[in-house]
Amino acid sequence: KNEVEQSPQNLTAQEGEFITINCSYSVGISALHWLQQHPGGGIVSLFMLSSGKKKHGRLIATINIQEKHSSLHITASHPRDSAVYICAVPNYGGSQGNLIFGKGTKLSVKP
Amino acid sequence: GAGVSQSPSNKVTEKGKDVELRCDPISGHTALYWYRQSLGQGLEFLIYFQGNSAPDKSGLPSDRFSAERTGGSVSTLTIQRTQQEDSAVYFCASSLGAVLDTQYFGPGTRLTVL
Repeated sequence: KNEVEQSPQNLTAQEGEFITINCSYSVGISALHWLQQHPGGGIVSLFMLSSGKKKHGRLIATINIQEKHSSLHITASHPRDSAVYICAVPNYGGSQGNLIFGKGTKLSVKP
Repeated sequence: GAGVSQSPSNKVTEKGKDVELRCDPISGHTALYWYRQSLGQGLEFLIYFQGNSAPDKSGLPSDRFSAERTGGSVSTLTIQRTQQEDSAVYFCASSLGAVLDTQYFGPGTRLTVL
């Protein structure tokens, strides 16, 4: 069974700062998900990645499959980026649909 | 196009009553997932349907919980004899096909058991 650790748990930044959120897991996988949960509760999938790096606007996600680690970066952070960021991996490794979620990183970006 | 929809958006029930939560996935999506999030807690996997395969029910917390997916589309999550600890937001998500596809989440159903 996989275990997921996210850090930091809480993060406060000033507008414009570069943000990094980390996710580590214990059992090898073929893909990892990054999700964003808005203050109102809605959930959006940001990335699903299995290797290397993906970029979408100011968001960059990287994964190192060998080290069982992924990072989510936000460049030029903005108050609208304030949300909870969650990583998720297959619970039993591989590519199963049974996902286990990290506890989330609550990001607050101050103007 | 239309996203994942869930109904009702809010449900208040009394302890011991049965409830049904509905999920309409994106048309053409063969994979459907149910998750729940208790107050202040993280997301928790409940059940996963993929096409015509037997669902992965390993996340259902007790035999009071069941789910079905009719015709490979709409899904219903049923909770029998609700307990206060069942209070949570229940999210449904769907994806195009394989597990490695992006999941699209519904807005959730907030269940409160009094």
